[in-house]
Amino acid sequence: DAKTTQPNSMESNEEEPVHLPCNHSTISGTDYIHWYRQLPSQGPEYVIHGLTSNVNNRMASLAIAEDRKSSTLILHRATLRDAAVYYCILRDPNSGAGSYQLTFGKGTKLSVIP
Amino acid sequence: DTAVSQTPKYLVTQMGNDKSIKCEQNLGHDTMYWYKQDSKKFLKIMFSYNNKELIINETVPNRFSPKSPDKAHLNLHINSLELGDSAVYFCASSHTGTGLWEQYFGPGTRLTVT
Repeated sequence: DAKTTQPNSMESNEEEPVHLPCNHSTISGTDYIHWYRQLPSQGPEYVIHGLTSNVNNRMASLAIAEDRKSSTLILHRATLRDAAVYYCILRDPNSGAGSYQLTFGKGTKLSVIP
Repeated sequence: DTAVSQTPKYLVTQMGNDKSIKCEQNLGHDTMYWYKQDSKKFLKIMFSYNNKELIINETVPNRFSPKSPDKAHLNLHINSLELGDSAVYFCASSHTGTGLWEQYFGPGTRLTVT
């Protein structure tokens, strides 16, 4: 599986934008980039995914580098509720049974300062 | 209504006992999963069932046996519990096809083996 590298931790002030980076230099052409987050004492929660183009949804935006070797999850205005561990995950939908599983790394622990 | 529910939320038991964790999803999904999150917070897939058929079975001791009586339920039975089984167990579900992207996780079951 292609690996991802994320900073262990980041801090942000409340109501400021947050840019969470992810490096995936060995990404294959069919890997999608997924982001999940895990709030304290909860199960992981889907945030967003993309392949090549930037993506927006109600939770966040995903900016994907042109060479796809890195991506950035953007939270436009961090709130205290956004304090969580954010996971960047690659998944190939064409990899048979493997396409079903999410391989979680260590993620980035985001702290939001009031 | 809770989309993915697990019972019990907490489970404290002694070594050598046999216990079960239940999972139910009311999303109409056809794929369900069990993940384990250890004390170091690493999340790792254990099993996945698609339409009641086992499709992922990671390197998990035979003491762990998943059972899927129907597409809405995936239970996890653990025999001869060991100290190392202490962890948080998350159930998840997704829908193949359009739903391959998003897995919905339950709140977790914290298992403590003493």
